[in-house]
Amino acid sequence: LAKTTQPISMDSYEGQEVNITCSHNNIATNDYITWYQQFPSQGPRFIIQGYKTKVTNEVASLFIPADRKSSTLSLPRVSLSDTAVYYCLVATSGAGSYQLTFGKGTKLSVIP
Amino acid sequence: DAGVIQSPRHEVTEMGQEVTLRCKPISGHNSLFWYRQTMMRGLELLIYFNNNVPIDDSGMPEDRFSAKMPNASFSTLKIQPSEPRDSAVYFCASSSFRGNTEAFFGQGTRLTVV
Repeated sequence: LAKTTQPISMDSYEGQEVNITCSHNNIATNDYITWYQQFPSQGPRFIIQGYKTKVTNEVASLFIPADRKSSTLSLPRVSLSDTAVYYCLVATSGAGSYQLTFGKGTKLSVIP
Repeated sequence: DAGVIQSPRHEVTEMGQEVTLRCKPISGHNSLFWYRQTMMRGLELLIYFNNNVPIDDSGMPEDRFSAKMPNASFSTLKIQPSEPRDSAVYFCASSSFRGNTEAFFGQGTRLTVV
């Protein structure tokens, strides 16, 4: 299984764009990169996934270079409610399903 | 749909007692995951099922832990006997994984073993 490495914590002011980078050097060909968000006392929630290049949805953008050994989650104009832990995962396919293994995550604190 | 439903939400038990955690996945989902979360170890994948069959249980800490999925709408995680170090929040998640890697998590069961 591909291991992920991301910063333990980040601080940002409200209204700024936040970029969280994750490295996954031994990602396999069929693996997807996926990001989850977790608020205190709640289960993680899916944000975005990608395979290569750029993916954008209503919440975030995900940038993946050609070698796929890293990825960057971009949160535009963060607000206080974006304070949470963000997890980068490499979703490994197998037996008709995906294995979702969480790392340590990045604790994002948004400051007024 | 009501989402993934876990019960109980909170459980306090004495060391040595048997504990059973329950999970009802979202209807139509064919993959189910059990996770354990602590401050020290973060989110650990314990076991996951696909079409009611256990695919990978390498995360189950020891023989005291067992999980079953007798049908597509119900799963249990049992700890027997329980120990204080089992205290954690246990999450269940389910997914259909149809074209994406999105899994839906329940609210979790906070287990305290005293």
